[in-house]
Amino acid sequence: KAGVTQTPRYLIKTRGQQVTLSCSPISGHRSVSWYQQTPGQGLQFLFEYFSETQRNKGNFPGRFSGRQFSNSRSEMNVSTLELGDSALYLCASSLEIGLAGGDEQFFGPGTRLTVL
Amino acid sequence: AQSVAQPEDQVNVAEGNPLTVKCTYSVSGNPYLFWYVQYPNRGLQFLLKYITGDNLVKGSYGFEAEFNKSQTSFHLKKPSALVSDSALYFCAVRASGNNFNKFYFGSGTKLNVKP
Repeated sequence: KAGVTQTPRYLIKTRGQQVTLSCSPISGHRSVSWYQQTPGQGLQFLFEYFSETQRNKGNFPGRFSGRQFSNSRSEMNVSTLELGDSALYLCASSLEIGLAGGDEQFFGPGTRLTVL
Repeated sequence: AQSVAQPEDQVNVAEGNPLTVKCTYSVSGNPYLFWYVQYPNRGLQFLLKYITGDNLVKGSYGFEAEFNKSQTSFHLKKPSALVSDSALYFCAVRASGNNFNKFYFGSGTKLNVKP
C-alpha cells in the first residue's frame, strides 16, 4: 500500500496570504490528523477528522481550518499567514476499524511552509 | 489533564552500548502508548505500541519498551545502539476507551549515537 502522501512538499508564502495543504491517507484509513512541528514547540496537534467530521481540535486560532472529503482525503487551510506559521505540517492517518482507539498513526513526509 | 513528558532533550550513547529514552505520561484511565522515530526532513515512523497484555513490547529495528503502570512510564530501550539509530524520538499517549480521545505527544528526545 502507498503511504500517506502530502502535497506540496514545500511552500513559500508571504504574510497575509492564505495556503491550502493536502493529505491523502493510506487506503482504507478513516481518520486523518494534522500536526504543526516547530523546533521550539515540538509537535502540536491541530485537528482530527473522521468520516468527514472534525472529531478533535487543538488550541489554534480560527485562521487554521480543515476538512475531510468522502474519500478520506483531507485539506487544511491557513488564512492571513503570519511569520510564526512557518513550520513543518504533518498529516497522519489511522485505520480505526474498531472503536477502542489503539491504532497507531502513520505519518506523511510533511509540508514545509515558509512565511516571509 | 493528559500529557506526556520526555525529560531529556538529548541522549548521547556510544555505539554498541545499551540506550534508554525516557517517557512518562499522565492520562485518565488506561493508556495506549506509542513510540515514533523521526529522521531529518522526514515524517514520524511508528516503532511500537502498548495496548494491553505483556508489559514488555518489542518493535521495529530491535527497539523495545516497558510499560510500568505504577511509575506511569514507558521507556524506550535497545540493547546495543547503532549509529543509524541517531534520530529524534517521540513518545505519545492516548486514553483508551474510544476513538474520540486525542493523541498527546512528548516534546521529543534527540538520540546521538557516536561511533
